[in-house]
Amino acid sequence: DSGVTQTPKHLITATGQRVTLRCSPRSGDLSVYWYQQSLDQGLQFLIQYYNGEERAKGNILERFSAQQFPDLHSELNLSSLELGDSALYFCASSSRSFGYTFGSGTRLTVV
Amino acid sequence: GQQLNQSPQSMFIQEGEDVSMNCTSSSIFNTWLWYKQDPGEGPVLLIALYKAGELTSNGRLTAQFGITRKDSFLNISASIPSDVGIYFCAGQLGGGSNYKLTFGKGTLLTVNP
Repeated sequence: DSGVTQTPKHLITATGQRVTLRCSPRSGDLSVYWYQQSLDQGLQFLIQYYNGEERAKGNILERFSAQQFPDLHSELNLSSLELGDSALYFCASSSRSFGYTFGSGTRLTVV
Repeated sequence: GQQLNQSPQSMFIQEGEDVSMNCTSSSIFNTWLWYKQDPGEGPVLLIALYKAGELTSNGRLTAQFGITRKDSFLNISASIPSDVGIYFCAGQLGGGSNYKLTFGKGTLLTVNP
């Protein structure tokens, strides 16, 4: 157990729908990152939050959004889903003491 | 944007052989990291490198941070079947831990017993 918890582990939904992925960072970590992993693109950085504030943005589509709550957990919202959004979505958290740790991911399948 | 070129894309080796993979970048990084990913799991950190020229070992793994800060390599000695997985290099630009990582596309390692 890495200490980073992601739910759900698997998600199957239809095109056009909206889903929410949840991440609880390791205790004490202030930074949360979201990554998308697809077969042809590898691990792509989507967005980072630090202590509730958006800190960096990567290749995140406008249909996607995220937030980090006061208890430091984060949610990634994916809307108007398309077949190409099917991928593994990873959350990671980091701290100066323990570095960068990934959760086990959410496998999203859009049908 | 920053890109990492990781090679080889895949390797098929016999148990007991040594393995070498590397990453190059068009940009300078302050930290280089190597991760391993098993099927259905998130990447797990193997080795972290913080200084140019640094050579670090972790058991059968050895990694180096290139002098130019634009490259790194990972060696695995005396491979065993559980070494199978995808190995990723990652670069971090910021000086602290709270900066995003840029990943290579991975090296798929297969070890034949």
